Parts: sequence; C-alpha cells; structure tokens
Amino acid sequence: NAGVTQTPKFQVLKTGQSMTLQCAQDMNHEYMSWYRQDPGMGLRLIHYSVGAGITDQGEVPNGYNVSRSTTEDFPLRLLSAAPSQTSVYFCASSYARTGDQETQYFGPGTRLLVL
Amino acid sequence: QQQVKQSPQSLIVQKGGISIINCAYENTAFDYFPWYQQFPGKGPALLIAIRPDVSEKKEGRFTISFNKSAKQFSLHIMDSQPGDSATYFCAASRMDSSYKLIFGSGTRLLVRP
Repeated sequence: NAGVTQTPKFQVLKTGQSMTLQCAQDMNHEYMSWYRQDPGMGLRLIHYSVGAGITDQGEVPNGYNVSRSTTEDFPLRLLSAAPSQTSVYFCASSYARTGDQETQYFGPGTRLLVL
Repeated sequence: QQQVKQSPQSLIVQKGGISIINCAYENTAFDYFPWYQQFPGKGPALLIAIRPDVSEKKEGRFTISFNKSAKQFSLHIMDSQPGDSATYFCAASRMDSSYKLIFGSGTRLLVRP
C-alpha cells in the first residue's frame, strides 16, 4: 500500500492563479480530510468528506473547494490564490470514525507559496 | 478562539530525561484525545490516544495523563532519546467524528545527546 499520497510536493503560485492539490489513498478509507499547517497554529481543518459524494466545511474553508467523486481521491482546489494561503497542506484519511479503531493517516504534505 | 491550548512551544531535554507537554481543551463534548508526532518534512503520525474514561494510558516510553475535571491532558516521554526530537501536537475531537480533529499549536522537542 502506498498509503496517502499527495501531489505536488511543492508549488509556487502567483496571486489570483488557481490550482488543484491532489490527494489519493489506497486503503479504502471512508473518511478524508484536508488540513493546513501554519507556524504556531498547529493544523486546521479546511474540508472533510465522510464518503464519496459527501463533503463538508471545517474550521477554515474560505477560498477552497473540494469534491469526492471516488473513495480514493479527494482533491483540494484553490480558486484564486492569495498570499494568506501560503502554507503546508496535509491530506488525511481514516477507516472508522470511532476513536479506538481510528487512525488518521496523513500524507507527506504539499508546500504552497503564493506570491 | 483556540479550543485546544498547548504548552510549551519548545522544549529542550537531556538524553534520558523526561519530556512533558501539556494541553488544555474547552469543549466538554470532546471525548477523543490523540497525540501526533511530526518529523521535519513529514506528515503527522499518530503516537498515542486516550479516551476520558481512563486517567492514564501508557505505550512504551509514552504516557498520556488525563484530568477530565480540569479539562487537561499531557504527554510524558520517559527516558527521552535524540530520536524523539520532533514536533508534537495534541488534538481533540468527538469520538463519533474523530476525522475532524482540533489541533494544539505544537511543541518542538529537542533531546540533546
């Protein structure tokens, strides 16, 4: 199993450009989430999905869109990049929703710089 | 509003010493408290987790202590090793939605040889 994979590893954008951060998992996990990590702020939930076709907003959803057409893929779209979206983005997936059986597996991250 | 407060921001410990990281939460609906370990350039990885029906959970050198009345929980790393040098995050969620974690701000641990 490759686990959770993210592409690209690093991206530089200009303000106003759009892009899609890719996330895929091969563990047949039902739940997937996107977080952003900023210095001194830990990780903050952007969007999450509880299954194919079902998505919802997290703490900081503004400026981001998601879709979940398959169980494996959960792309994150930046519609019009802003410098405030400079961050490291992590995708995570998990199988069960109850804590004892739950392990959120995180991908290696995408480092995004918006100029 | 920061729902999970973590301290200290950074910590330096000598090899063999005890590392202690503290977290406090506000939402009494939280009932799942994991700790994640993150090495530079990597994603966070689950280290250990606890539910509020127990006051302590131990896995090897790592122990979580939980105080429900004070709404606080802490990570203790016994016999700290240089390989433990990493950033540690506490987190909290409701157990029925543990895919929606609220993270603390992180603690950068350095264990000196």
